[in-house]
Amino acid sequence: GAVVSQHPSWVICKSGTSVKIECRSLDFQATTMFWYRQFPKQSLMLMATSNEGSKATYEQGVEKDKFLINHASLTLSTLTVTSAHPEDSSFYICSARPVPPGGETQYFGPGTRLLVL
Amino acid sequence: QKEVEQDPGPLSVPEGAIVSLNCTYSNSAFQYFMWYRQYSRKGPELLMYTYSSGNKEDGRFTAQVDKSSKYISLFIRDSQPSDSATYLCAMSPAHSGGSNYKLTFGKGTLLTVNP
Repeated sequence: GAVVSQHPSWVICKSGTSVKIECRSLDFQATTMFWYRQFPKQSLMLMATSNEGSKATYEQGVEKDKFLINHASLTLSTLTVTSAHPEDSSFYICSARPVPPGGETQYFGPGTRLLVL
Repeated sequence: QKEVEQDPGPLSVPEGAIVSLNCTYSNSAFQYFMWYRQYSRKGPELLMYTYSSGNKEDGRFTAQVDKSSKYISLFIRDSQPSDSATYLCAMSPAHSGGSNYKLTFGKGTLLTVNP
């Protein structure tokens, strides 16, 4: 149980294009989903927290107009990287927190590797 | 002082060894403690989840939480080459309505189990 999927698993795009990444909780409902970014050999960096039906909360230094987050249902959140540039190349990982009783843990997706040329 | 400190390693052990991974923390509000395993180029996988102080065992894995010392540990018995990964500790305070449920992570310890 507690499976989270991400699509696509990897994407290569040209500079200036927008890329959408989907995060789905497959066998549970998630009140809250999180988006992280991870650079090689570094820990996870939280970008934003999203609750179903409300606006995402972005961490300091994360551009909300650059990284658009939509949490349309209890099983789906999307991250859109708008006008992507090479510095946006990274490993993006989502996680989902189950509706109670799920405790305070988060279940992670397998990640999406983005390469912007 | 960082909220969560974790030795990044790398840690290299022979197959069959007992592995001890640790994190210390400074925020006394932390109540929930987790260990995640992350293989290269994959998302983190939840290994152990504990609430407050105490021990929890699951197969070859044992998690310990000592809130008085603000210290948590993960023990791996009979380690296998397939255990080679980065291990991340994570923790969270107890929440009430309106909180954002963020986890605070350690930097991760890279473990290699040699056959």
